[in-house]
Amino acid sequence: NAGVTQTPKFQVLKTGQSMTLQCAQDMNHEYMSWYRQDPGMGLRLIHYSVGAGITDQGEVPNGYNVSRSTTEDFPLRLLSAAPSQTSVYFCASSYSNRAGMNIQYFGAGTRLSVL
Amino acid sequence: AQKITQTQPGMFVQEKEAVTLDCTYDTSDPSYGLFWYKQPSSGEMIFLIYQGSYDQQNATEGRYSLNFQKARKSANLVISASQLGDSAMYFCAMRELDSGSARQLTFGSGTQLTVLP
Repeated sequence: NAGVTQTPKFQVLKTGQSMTLQCAQDMNHEYMSWYRQDPGMGLRLIHYSVGAGITDQGEVPNGYNVSRSTTEDFPLRLLSAAPSQTSVYFCASSYSNRAGMNIQYFGAGTRLSVL
Repeated sequence: AQKITQTQPGMFVQEKEAVTLDCTYDTSDPSYGLFWYKQPSSGEMIFLIYQGSYDQQNATEGRYSLNFQKARKSANLVISASQLGDSAMYFCAMRELDSGSARQLTFGSGTQLTVLP
């Protein structure tokens, strides 16, 4: 009953370091997304994928890379961490049912601090 | 322009009373879906309720109902018989089905609900 699993739960980086946030889902969902949540704001879309091998940019993609080599995994890479990337990161997966309803299921989040 | 507006940063409600959390949206797509998510202090995002733009009736899920007024572009969440466990941040979100946004969610800034004993 895993759903969407994000690792790590917490991470502290120094400016300029790189790292990968992991996201895996076991529901065979076609859509996966990465969001960031900053204080006083809702979630903002970073990158998304509509299927294995297909990715695209969201609202705030700068400084992040993604890839989707399998249906299950959708890692988010920070290329050179900056303090502005201090945030809580959520991964989500979803599918569209016949009614066009697309409910996104979220992971527990990764709290990232960049010093 | 904001696509999703939640004008109430914080709300208080007495236990066992009903509360309405406001959400207005802006879209030119005829096909869209509206969602409400709950985020407790533990941080996870929990899906509560969904309303499609073509749905004839207001959505209901247990103690949650959605007051959908399409002409006014509002989708307010009503929580009946509030419980202490309802204290959380609540987010309204929209998915536009026909636009080029590849059907991802746009979120409002949230409303922090506190249920008082």
